[in-house]
Amino acid sequence: AQSVSQHNHHVILSEAASLELGCNYSYGGTVNLFWYVQYPGQHLQLLLKYFSGDPLVKGIKGFEAEFIKSKFSFNLRKPSVQWSDTAEYFCAVNAGTASKLTFGTGTRLQVTL
Amino acid sequence: DGGITQSPKYLFRKEGQNVTLSCEQNLNHDAMYWYRQDPGQGLRLIYYSQIVNDFQKGDIAEGYSVSREKKESFPLTVTSAQKNPTAFYLCASGRTRGPSSYNEQFFGPGTRLTVL
Repeated sequence: AQSVSQHNHHVILSEAASLELGCNYSYGGTVNLFWYVQYPGQHLQLLLKYFSGDPLVKGIKGFEAEFIKSKFSFNLRKPSVQWSDTAEYFCAVNAGTASKLTFGTGTRLQVTL
Repeated sequence: DGGITQSPKYLFRKEGQNVTLSCEQNLNHDAMYWYRQDPGQGLRLIYYSQIVNDFQKGDIAEGYSVSREKKESFPLTVTSAQKNPTAFYLCASGRTRGPSSYNEQFFGPGTRLTVL
């Protein structure tokens, strides 16, 4: 069964700092990868997704992620965070032909002014 | 508006009682999912259904039951057999046909269940 690891559980950054959140998965075949975000009091929503092609994918709000197949990683990045990026971020993988997703444990990002 | 609705937002029950959480979608999605979210554990899949009248157990199905009599609806019952029912429950839906790029899931606002 596939699994997803997010090693950063709680990250605190000042505004304008750069962000990188780690995500590693375990599955040897074709995968689809996702980053979801949960802002305080809001629905879980999709930030970005990777299916095929260019391993560097861009999402909403200036976020991007890079798929590195050899490292089984899909790290999320943003060059300059804003206070409004304070949220919980989840990495997820969809492997094989199943439609279900496996989620990581999440990273809570706190951005200070 | 197209989307997923879950009701109620907050639910309180006494220990030993079954409780049913509602999930409705008007996105015309074939697949629906139930997740449980606990602090520090992320989202864990309880049950999912890819078509009406069919559903499969997820990773933590014990103590839960579901039905899928209509495409739009996928209610979850938390039974008295669930040992730690207090949690935040999220419902999602998604497509199952078409290219894999369609495997994105859309989430409802969630129901916070507290068992006293």
